[in-house]
Amino acid sequence: AQKITQTQPGMFVQEKEAVTLDCTYDTSDQSYGLFWYKQPSSGKMIFLIYQGSYDEQNATEGRYSLNFQKARKSANLVISASQLGDSAMYFCAMREGVLWNNDMRFGAGTRLTVKP
Amino acid sequence: DTGVSQNPRHKITKRGQNVTFRCDPISEHNRLYWYRQTLGQGPEFLTYFQNEAQLEKSRLLSDRFSAERPKGSFSTLEIQRTEQGDSAMYLCASSPLPTGPYGYTFGSGTRLTVV
Repeated sequence: AQKITQTQPGMFVQEKEAVTLDCTYDTSDQSYGLFWYKQPSSGKMIFLIYQGSYDEQNATEGRYSLNFQKARKSANLVISASQLGDSAMYFCAMREGVLWNNDMRFGAGTRLTVKP
Repeated sequence: DTGVSQNPRHKITKRGQNVTFRCDPISEHNRLYWYRQTLGQGPEFLTYFQNEAQLEKSRLLSDRFSAERPKGSFSTLEIQRTEQGDSAMYLCASSPLPTGPYGYTFGSGTRLTVV
């Protein structure tokens, strides 16, 4: 069964505007971690942000924030003030279990294009 | 330490040949992971090591695939009798223990093309 669902294959955003990339997940575990990665055209996956299932506050890292809605099982990534360098593939991922010691599972990704 | 290093970056091979990829993780990371990524898809888990022990293997890892991490440092992934369906990007990542909230650090990947 698909654990991570990213329903937007592609998204466009105007430079300097904010954009939200959607992610929903499926788990029966109470303890899990949610992650977002960026993959530019060079191919290297870059870790952006994480949210623990017990964290009450939404995670933030610079221009990235994670809109965590536990009851809806969604973990959307918000990028504020988009820059041309934000154009890339973005993947949502999840690790389940105690201390999240299981391997990480990824969604199919969203390709973000920032327009000048 | 310059992060996770993978070699080669690109490999073109004829169907039926064997190929081997190498991954050098961040030295203090106990865990090492292999993923496969096909075009337009997210990475799919193949296997992972904790130190030199291979703790989990995906059903994607057929008997033509073997991975080793002999001294708990670098790892190799070998594909025997390659098939065109093996064409993909093979990603290696590492993480510390306890794994907790840490994201993985990925290498740049090895792109395999089977012709």
